[in-house]
Amino acid sequence: QSALTQPRSVSGSPGQSVTISCTGTSSDVGYYNYVSWYQQHPGKAPKLMIYDVSKRPSGVPDRFSGSKSGNTASLTISGLQAEDEADYYCCSYAGTYTFDVVFGGGTKLTVL
Amino acid sequence: EVQLVESGGGLVKPGGSLRLSCAASGFTFSNVWMSWVRQAPGKGLEWVGRIKSKTDGGTTDYAAPVKGTFTVSRDDSKNTLYLQMNSLKTEDTAVYYCTTFRAASFDYWGQGTLVTVSS
Repeated sequence: QSALTQPRSVSGSPGQSVTISCTGTSSDVGYYNYVSWYQQHPGKAPKLMIYDVSKRPSGVPDRFSGSKSGNTASLTISGLQAEDEADYYCCSYAGTYTFDVVFGGGTKLTVL
Repeated sequence: EVQLVESGGGLVKPGGSLRLSCAASGFTFSNVWMSWVRQAPGKGLEWVGRIKSKTDGGTTDYAAPVKGTFTVSRDDSKNTLYLQMNSLKTEDTAVYYCTTFRAASFDYWGQGTLVTVSS
């Protein structure tokens, strides 16, 4: 399975909204509603922010939201804050006959 | 509080072997599917392998690059997950994270352990 496609970087000012896209194929993002998003600060472990396309784990601010249209999933962060500056990775289930999972290449979010 | 603590990383020569451990606490380990995810220096995340709970069969699955050389196992009596890595290559150099796998996502992560494969 090929990696999902994410923009290398996005940026926004405090208070603004940004959207990170994640493009896959009809065999992963387009087929399964099992898209998740992870936030990773430098030198830290990733943290789950969104699962099942649009669900938030307990403790994740509602400024973070997820959606999907066709083969592309999106993570939107509204009301940007300085602490949102991090790398973000999307992930999709991709198994047909066997279990498989594929990640995106990651997007660096800069808060200006 | 869920805690996952990896250990066993280090420097190993190409062709060598290494076994990573992950000590779990704060949840009923035996009921949870577990996984390993790695991250090469300066690169993105890559799923490595997953093991189901014993009640769901305890079976394993692996990413193509490690199939046949890496083995995921678990000891529910010790609340510990393992990753046995054989025939290591320089491209296996990475931070290896232990994760829980629930709702088709990696919901809790350890702090990671660095494996360096170099001569």
